[in-house]
Amino acid sequence: DGGITQSPKYLFRKEGQNVTLSCEQNLNHDAMYWYRQDPGQGLRLIYYSQIVNDFQKGDIAEGYSVSREKKESFPLTVTSAQKNPTAFYLCASSIAWDEETQYFGPGTRLLVL
Amino acid sequence: AQSVTQLGSHVSVSEGALVLLRCNYSSSVPPYLFWYVQYPNQGLQLLLKYTTGATLVKGINGFEAEFKKSETSFHLTKPSAHMSDAAEYFCAVIGSNYQLIWGAGTKLIIKP
Repeated sequence: DGGITQSPKYLFRKEGQNVTLSCEQNLNHDAMYWYRQDPGQGLRLIYYSQIVNDFQKGDIAEGYSVSREKKESFPLTVTSAQKNPTAFYLCASSIAWDEETQYFGPGTRLLVL
Repeated sequence: AQSVTQLGSHVSVSEGALVLLRCNYSSSVPPYLFWYVQYPNQGLQLLLKYTTGATLVKGINGFEAEFKKSETSFHLTKPSAHMSDAAEYFCAVIGSNYQLIWGAGTKLIIKP
């Protein structure tokens, strides 16, 4: 069964702590994306990767970091510099960077203790 | 610059009634347009998309949308609402750098 998995489903962060959200896909897609979703707002792009070993900042990259060492994996780290991290985080992928259809994972909800 | 406006953060309809969710866009290039649906605490699922060709696009779960260039609209409709349609719906357009630009979403409430 092909798809995108995100873990954990819920994540709690303490003050000053870095946390990492996992995103894995077995769709053999080149491009991957991270979005942040807040209530009443559309999705905002944090980072995206068009191909392995490459990534670019999206609209709200400050306080976040990513890596793309393997085609199937695109982890997102929420650093202590992100002062308002409470949100729903969605990972997505597409066949290629210029392929318009994106497929989404189930999301991770990050809460601050 | 491209943008998407969804009219109404919440839309309430009775079960069996027509569903109409509005989406207007601005784009400097021929638009690729999308509707996605999100059920509570889940990821987004593609409902339908318009790229080229027929302006009336049929999607999953009985939804359809019509691309109207003159009105810069891509409204989503379903003839008869079902309780299972209760969800949040997002309209999106492809930007000039192939990134999706999202509307703020519309929550569809179905009244029994």
